[in-house]
Amino acid sequence: EAGVVQSPRYKIIEKKQPVAFWCNPISGHNTLYWYRQNLGQGPELLIRYENEEAVDDSQLPKDRFSAERLKGVDSTLKIQPAELGDSAVYLCASSPRLAGGPEETQYFGPGTRLLVL
Amino acid sequence: AQKVTQAQTEISVVEKEDVTLDCVYETRDTTYYLFWYKQPPSGELVFLIRRNSFDEQNEISGRYSWNFQKSTSSFNFTITASQVVDSAVYFCALRGIIQGAQKLVFGQGTRLTINP
Repeated sequence: EAGVVQSPRYKIIEKKQPVAFWCNPISGHNTLYWYRQNLGQGPELLIRYENEEAVDDSQLPKDRFSAERLKGVDSTLKIQPAELGDSAVYLCASSPRLAGGPEETQYFGPGTRLLVL
Repeated sequence: AQKVTQAQTEISVVEKEDVTLDCVYETRDTTYYLFWYKQPPSGELVFLIRRNSFDEQNEISGRYSWNFQKSTSSFNFTITASQVVDSAVYFCALRGIIQGAQKLVFGQGTRLTINP
């Protein structure tokens, strides 16, 4: 079974430029998550989708971040404009059942390492 | 509030030694799940184990074992006879069902280095 796929793996941009990350979850997984991981820290949730609906975006900085999950499969996370403090690893995860189900376990992709200069 | 504390920032041992990674958590939920993930240099978080709050049985999987103690709010992870391939950052995580709003909260991670 293929795992969570993310692209690109690395991205270097100058501040104020836009950037987008793409995620393809494990086939059949209803729930998709975007996390940000700063250096030396654990991942922190940005947004959670159940199918195509964003059910928790309380920690997404909405002034510059946006996300979509059209058709409830692939997802894109965008930053516009990027700031120096956005340098981090952006991780996508998916789980096989709706969040809160007793067997929900999140499976992570390799992440996109973003460097903003 | 939910919180996970991994007090050990870095651990370095020689191959074949046993090593224990500590994890202490805080939650007001009575139903919650605990997880361990491994993050090798490639960056992907690899799922290792999930435990629910009603199951305090310790678990062993090969060289890995986990000790869940509700009385001390701890969920420690032991690697027996460590190998160089075990070198990675290990994260403990908590998901509370009600007050935790089902969010997965991670600790800061423990960087484990196994020296040959």
